[in-house]
Amino acid sequence: DTGVSQDPRHKITKRGQNVTFRCDPISEHNRLYWYRQTLGQGPEFLTYFQNEAQLEKSRLLSDRFSAERPKGSFSTLEIQRTEQGDSAMYLCASRSRAGGLFGGYTFGSGTRLTVV
Amino acid sequence: QKEVEQNSGPLSVPEGAIASLNCTYSDRGSQSFFWYRQYSGKSPELIMSIYSNGDKEDGRFTAQLNKASQYVSLLIRDSQPSDSATYLCAGEKLVFGQGTRLTINP
Repeated sequence: DTGVSQDPRHKITKRGQNVTFRCDPISEHNRLYWYRQTLGQGPEFLTYFQNEAQLEKSRLLSDRFSAERPKGSFSTLEIQRTEQGDSAMYLCASRSRAGGLFGGYTFGSGTRLTVV
Repeated sequence: QKEVEQNSGPLSVPEGAIASLNCTYSDRGSQSFFWYRQYSGKSPELIMSIYSNGDKEDGRFTAQLNKASQYVSLLIRDSQPSDSATYLCAGEKLVFGQGTRLTINP
């Protein structure tokens, strides 16, 4: 499979629990992005990595959120002490760059988080 | 002002007609723009990329970029019911519009 893979597809958790999501990007894409999307809205940027370096974080990414990409391959997004407002689809995307121009993102299928 | 803005719709178009979707952006330095299609409950799927002023055609889809006026548009010719989805515009700087919900009526 050469697409972007996300795991799990669905996660239901109780408020206050910690959750961790995984993303495996397309292997030749060195940039990896995390987005959050709620119903009726476009994806909201959370953070992105170039290789293993986390280059930018959104103000939306509170101190309960942390992301890693330890070896420049897969990435994890952890949410600590989940709140009901964290319920959303969490999307991972990767992209390549060639000739000085960025290609479009390729998205994974997403992880749908429900906090009860 | 948001970096990328779209009319959220809904936009309703009869089958076989042309659907026109528009997006404006604020960052004059943006070089690349992308249109994504998103079906309900699914992740966004890239359908068009455009980097230069003018039109870019791919099958029934035409993307138009006007850097002077800072807008990007997507035309869908011969609209089909399967084109019913939310269409998202994105610039190169990680920001998406809110999406336009398009419905094609048979």
